[in-house]
Amino acid sequence: KNEVEQSPQNLTAQEGEFITINCSYSVGISALHWLQQHPGGGIVSLFMLSSGKKKHGRLIATINIQEKHSSLHITASHPRDSAVYICAVFSGSARQLTFGSGTQLTVLP
Amino acid sequence: DGGITQSPKYLFRKEGQNVTLSCEQNLNHDAMYWYRQDPGQGLRLIYYSQIVNDFQKGDIAEGYSVSREKKESFPLTVTSAQKNPTAFYLCASSIDPRTGGGNQPQHFGDGTRLSIL
Repeated sequence: KNEVEQSPQNLTAQEGEFITINCSYSVGISALHWLQQHPGGGIVSLFMLSSGKKKHGRLIATINIQEKHSSLHITASHPRDSAVYICAVFSGSARQLTFGSGTQLTVLP
Repeated sequence: DGGITQSPKYLFRKEGQNVTLSCEQNLNHDAMYWYRQDPGQGLRLIYYSQIVNDFQKGDIAEGYSVSREKKESFPLTVTSAQKNPTAFYLCASSIDPRTGGGNQPQHFGDGTRLSIL
């Protein structure tokens, strides 16, 4: 079964800092998702990618298929970015998403 | 606005009791999913449904049951056979069920937190 490892588990940053969250996985995949979970528990899909890089506002997601690694970057971080960020991967063999345990991000004003 | 509605937000279960968590979507999605989230762990798949009147077990289906009588609705029943039901439950949906929901974004509800009295 595919394993998904995220690092760090917890991250505290000052407002304005550049943030990187990492995700590594163990088998071949066809898609990788980055999700954001708000303090109340609701989850929002941020990105779905299978190669290269995607950007949305201050968020950037990259993936390196050969190295089985993805990163989520947040530029000019803000306290409203405080949330749990979750990486999930999809492989054809498993035919379902496998989720990482999440990274708790706290951005201080 | 289209979305997924889960209710209730908080639910308490007595020993030996079955409880049902509601999930409704107005996104016209064919596929729906139930996940369980425990502290420090990733989401785990309980059940999923690719089409009305059909559903499949996920990794942790024991002690749970579902139905899919309407496209919009996918209720989850936590039965008394589930010995450790305290968790956060999330419902999700996606447009195309053919690929198991991985090659397209999943839309999530706000979750139901279940606790034992």
